[in-house]
Amino acid sequence: DTEVTQTPKHLVMGMTNKKSLKCEQHMGHRAMYWYKQKAKKPPELMFVYSYEKLSINESVPSRFSPECPNSSLLNLHLHALQPEDSALYLCASSQVGRATNMNTEAFFGQGTRLTVV
Amino acid sequence: GQSLEQPSEVTAVEGAIVQINCTYQTSGFYGLSWYQQHDGGAPTFLSYNALDGLEETGRFSSFLSRSDSYGYLLLQELQMKDSASYFCAVRDKANAGKSTFGDGTTLTVKP
Repeated sequence: DTEVTQTPKHLVMGMTNKKSLKCEQHMGHRAMYWYKQKAKKPPELMFVYSYEKLSINESVPSRFSPECPNSSLLNLHLHALQPEDSALYLCASSQVGRATNMNTEAFFGQGTRLTVV
Repeated sequence: GQSLEQPSEVTAVEGAIVQINCTYQTSGFYGLSWYQQHDGGAPTFLSYNALDGLEETGRFSSFLSRSDSYGYLLLQELQMKDSASYFCAVRDKANAGKSTFGDGTTLTVKP
């Protein structure tokens, strides 16, 4: 199984709503990531979890709250979002790179296309 | 911090060969990756170079020169389905090994 599964595929939410994005992988990867991608732009890293612990937070606003309940699951809780937060949210996973030259290619899910109204 | 430069657009015809260049500036370089992304799809890993030289995977090859902070992706025998965005991404020690993506190159393959 070389898939990263994200749900839902599409989400429309109001600025006062609370919603969660979910991500699951069964490749035994111990690093999981959330990226945000706007149209015609590269993915921007938001959070990195390594061994279920948050290792990187790229100064993301607190209205985005990540959670890693176990080694296979990654959630992104959304609350009080703004219209400018509308984007494709991508989850990815990889092995944790210990050696300098270790290839830790990231496997991406298909993303959740979020629209904030 | 890091910065990556790659051309914004490249156009080629079916059957041709195209090279997409990527120059980078970073500290504590780990490696350079290439990803393909079709419109509406997820990025898909293509190749990774940590050491100088050429890595070949089927029709795609990737090259790295660490001394020049430069790499390229070479696509041979182009097919229409190769029309997509291609991102180079650099991983460096200063950022816990995380990858930073370039702005991407949109490749259009014409008949």
